Amino acid sequence: NAGVTQTPKFRVLKTGQSMTLLCAQDMNHEYMYWYRQDPGMGLRLIHYSVGEGTTAKGEVPDGYNVSRLKKQNFLLGLESAAPSQTSVYFCASNPQGPYNEQFFGPGTRLTVL
Amino acid sequence: GQSLEQPSEVTAVEGAIVQINCTYQTSGFYGLSWYQQHDGGAPTFLSYNGLDGLEETGRFSSFLSRSDSYGYLLLQELQMKDSASYFCAVRKAAGNKLTFGGGTRVLVKP
Repeated sequence: NAGVTQTPKFRVLKTGQSMTLLCAQDMNHEYMYWYRQDPGMGLRLIHYSVGEGTTAKGEVPDGYNVSRLKKQNFLLGLESAAPSQTSVYFCASNPQGPYNEQFFGPGTRLTVL
Repeated sequence: GQSLEQPSEVTAVEGAIVQINCTYQTSGFYGLSWYQQHDGGAPTFLSYNGLDGLEETGRFSSFLSRSDSYGYLLLQELQMKDSASYFCAVRKAAGNKLTFGGGTRVLVKP
């Protein structure tokens, strides 16, 4: 099993450009999450999904959109990138139910100029 | 709102014991998790406390006191590979969402 994978690993955007980050998991997990981590800080939840076709807002959703059309994929979109969105983005997943561990992908390092 | 407080940095020598404290303020508290993150890497799960008391997993132990809104992670027999950032994270009753603290950077010296 590959676990949780993220594409791309690195990306540089100009202000105003758009892009989509892809998260894929092969563990048949119901729950998926997108976090951002700024230098020297903890992770902050952007959006999450509790199942295929569902999404919900986290702590810092502004400027981002998400979609969960297939159970194994969770997409994070930036419609008009801003320098404040420069960060490392992590995707995570876990099974449904009282499961304690979230499984994280390797991260995408995004720089917006 | 909710907040988590943990020290920003701790330095210790190989073989020593380090305790990382975490205090939290939140409604609907369900449990406290701990994650380890090496520089440039992804967070990895260490432990979870849903009930008061101590959970032991090898050299690492975690403790929770719900009445004090306090927990800690204990790292024993420190090794160089334990140099990393450690995050506490609150799990709320509604679902599996986590709110992370700012992290504690542990530096292990020879």
